[in-house]
Amino acid sequence: AQSVTQPDIHITVSEGASLELRCNYSYGATPYLFWYVQSPGQGLQLLLKYFSGDTLVQGIKGFEAEFKRSQSSFNLRKPSVHWSDAAEYFCAVGGYNNNDMRFGAGTRLTVKP
Amino acid sequence: EPEVTQTPSHQVTQMGQEVILRCVPISNHLYFYWYRQILGQKVEFLVSFYNNEISEKSEIFDDQFSVERPDGSNFTLKIRSTKLEDSAMYFCASRTSGFTDTQYFGPGTRLTVL
Repeated sequence: AQSVTQPDIHITVSEGASLELRCNYSYGATPYLFWYVQSPGQGLQLLLKYFSGDTLVQGIKGFEAEFKRSQSSFNLRKPSVHWSDAAEYFCAVGGYNNNDMRFGAGTRLTVKP
Repeated sequence: EPEVTQTPSHQVTQMGQEVILRCVPISNHLYFYWYRQILGQKVEFLVSFYNNEISEKSEIFDDQFSVERPDGSNFTLKIRSTKLEDSAMYFCASRTSGFTDTQYFGPGTRLTVL
């Protein structure tokens, strides 16, 4: 089955600084890739997704991610972080028909004032 | 905006008891999912459901678990005999028929097994 690795458990950035959250996937075919955000006590909200086409994907809240097949990566970026971005971020990969999405362990983002 | 709802928000039960977690998916969605998240751990896929049958399930989804769509709106997850390790947040999700469509998640039910 497909799998995802998020190497960073916890990242701290200053407000206004740029952000990059790493995600590496393992899947034998073309993956379907997602980034979700989870605020404390909340459900999961989709930030962006990649299925095919342009490898740079724009999402909500100013986030973007780049699919790099050669590196099996789908890193999430934001040029300028806001305090409200503090949350847990999950990368996920869908399988053959996108019917069994597998999540990474998550990266907790702390934003310093 | 339509959303997935889940009830109850928090369920406390004794070990060995049966629990049913309820979800109301978005009304025009056709695929339904259950995930769980043990405290501090990653979100884990349990099962997907389409056309009144299970389409995929993970190794976690053993005989203790079952899902059902008892009517046109509800989607339930039953745990027959709860164990301490079933304590987790359980998320329901749904999507339309297209495989590129987004899965929308509910707010979750926190299950505590004592």
